[in-house]
Amino acid sequence: QTVVTQEPSFSVSPGGTVTLTCGLSSGSVSTGYYPSWYQQTPGQAPRALIHSTNTRSSGVPDRFSGAVLGNKAALTITGAQADDEGDYYCALYMGSGISAFGGGTRLTVL
Amino acid sequence: QITLKESGPTLVKPTQTLTLTCTFSGFSVTTRGLGVGWIRQPPGKALEWLAQIYWDDDKRYSPSLKSRLTITKDTSKNQVVLTMTNMDPVDTATYYCAHRGNTNWFDPWGQGTLVTVSS
Repeated sequence: QTVVTQEPSFSVSPGGTVTLTCGLSSGSVSTGYYPSWYQQTPGQAPRALIHSTNTRSSGVPDRFSGAVLGNKAALTITGAQADDEGDYYCALYMGSGISAFGGGTRLTVL
Repeated sequence: QITLKESGPTLVKPTQTLTLTCTFSGFSVTTRGLGVGWIRQPPGKALEWLAQIYWDDDKRYSPSLKSRLTITKDTSKNQVVLTMTNMDPVDTATYYCAHRGNTNWFDPWGQGTLVTVSS
């Protein structure tokens, strides 16, 4: 069974830029997987950031952007802020109506 | 404005069947392309997609849990119900329902409901 992979953790300095990735244990991610990204802060439900590879959800600031880079989906945060700390999850459409989430990336801003 | 809220028992015993209800407003689950999904998150662990139901009543399940899950919708009540049979302590998790957009994304999410499986 193919697994969705993410970096377990990442650190970025305030004001810096970070790119989180979302891959597959077997194969490459393309736009046909409709990658989406979610942010979760402690005690809260996930919040959608990006869908369909690069479309920002309503109210999401433009310092969050999505793309497919090489064989992975990517979420880039430009000008990181302290309240960007949290867990970031990607989700992929695996075909036949099936979705799968990655293991999540814990982002630290320090 | 779209809102969703999960309801159900907070504690179930091993081998019992869990029934969770997602009550939503702000959209119709019969609108072409839309649906409702269920996702869970064990304490301190990652999100896991469980099931989703589409506008046309098509239903899809996680391959690893398919034999234990059933998802249904009641359009008159604006509700989607998930049942999971043969509950085990490893099924202890916060269970979320979410509005599924027409390109397979989940937004917004309900607040989640914590279900503990213990005797």
